[in-house]
Amino acid sequence: KAGVTQTPRYLIKTRGQQVTLSCSPISGHRSVSWYQQTPGQGLQFLFEYFSETQRNKGNFPGRFSGRQFSNSRSEMNVSTLELGDSALYLCASSLALGPETQYFGPGTRLLVL
Amino acid sequence: DQQVKQNSPSLSVQEGRISILNCDYTNSMFDYFLWYKKYPAEGPTFLISISSIKDKNEDGRFTVFLNKSAKHLSLHIVPSQPGDSAVYFCAAVANAGGTSYGKLTFGQGTILTVHP
Repeated sequence: KAGVTQTPRYLIKTRGQQVTLSCSPISGHRSVSWYQQTPGQGLQFLFEYFSETQRNKGNFPGRFSGRQFSNSRSEMNVSTLELGDSALYLCASSLALGPETQYFGPGTRLLVL
Repeated sequence: DQQVKQNSPSLSVQEGRISILNCDYTNSMFDYFLWYKKYPAEGPTFLISISSIKDKNEDGRFTVFLNKSAKHLSLHIVPSQPGDSAVYFCAAVANAGGTSYGKLTFGQGTILTVHP
């Protein structure tokens, strides 16, 4: 079974630009969550999507947004990039049938210059 | 407000000995806990979990203990192997029986080094 895939793996942007990251969950998984990992803050929850609806949201500004498509694939968008947005962005998928474990992708490393 | 804390940034252990990684939490609503292992340039990999209705869960060399009154959990690895060297994260879920189980709150991680 293929794992969670994220594209692109690496990205360099400049301040003020916007970026879109993509996540393809494990086949059959209906829930997709996004996390930001930085050295200072660790792993922080961004949001979770289930059946194309945002079900949970973390404490991030409105510049961070996401969506989920009917095939469960998800994208997250960050507008007006700031230097502090440089991080590893991780996507995780789960069956969403209960407190299931989440399976993480390898992440997208974003560098904002 | 760090609701899940791993107070030891690093731990060094000899191969064959026991590794004990600790995690404390403050949110009484957490009712499901997980441990993840992470290698550089990879996403976290699930290791073991425990529901708040249990105090112990075992899977091979890995055992997780939960002390709800102390709001403390620990991961024991016996025996430790050099391949276990990685960053270990504990994570918690609140209201796991509802719709919040997609939201994990992570600790800062502990770097485990197992020496041959």
